[in-house]
Amino acid sequence: QKEVEQNSGPLSVPEGAIASLNCTYSDRVSQSFFWYRQYSGKSPELIMSIYSNGDKEDGRFTAQLNKASQYVSLLIRDSQPSDSATYLCAVNPYNTDKLIFGTGTRLQVFP
Amino acid sequence: DGGITQSPKYLFRKEGQNVTLSCEQNLNHDAMYWYRQDPGQGLRLIYYSQIVNDFQKGDIAEGYSVSREKKESFPLTVTSAQKNPTAFYLCASTHSGNEKLFFGSGTQLSVL
Repeated sequence: QKEVEQNSGPLSVPEGAIASLNCTYSDRVSQSFFWYRQYSGKSPELIMSIYSNGDKEDGRFTAQLNKASQYVSLLIRDSQPSDSATYLCAVNPYNTDKLIFGTGTRLQVFP
Repeated sequence: DGGITQSPKYLFRKEGQNVTLSCEQNLNHDAMYWYRQDPGQGLRLIYYSQIVNDFQKGDIAEGYSVSREKKESFPLTVTSAQKNPTAFYLCASTHSGNEKLFFGSGTQLSVL
């Protein structure tokens, strides 16, 4: 089992819809969770970070964490064509100083 | 402006050649990282360093070497032992391991 798993996609949604991106992780005691957005040929940029169970909202983005089920998700409301990118889930396993990345989910928002 | 600078943006390696990718940060971050990204793939950790003069192997360290002589600098050498070096290389830094990473703009390495 991979440490961090994501569906590679592409996930296609119409403009204005909600895009739902999911990520599961294997280390039950992981502490920190991050979502990064990466445009083609560019470096990743942080979208959201979440550390405790529940929801965290920032503008059109909501991160959801469920440690008991070992998953973290990202919801993008009112999706825009400019949201089309690859979304990388990253997890900081317990007692380590590194982030483990998933392979990313490619999101396509069509007009 | 604070940030991470990677150079060069594009690099070509001849067979049997060692090449060095530069990474400099002025964010006063203690931790620095090197990741490799292949097309359509996520980021895989090559090496990381928490303090000056100390570094640890990541998941794919074979064929690579690093040094951390200064807090600001963490260069990566791709040696001739790395048989498939073509990839996008990303340098990142953070205050500590469980905080968000700041990324450089990346170096695309190709083999001639």
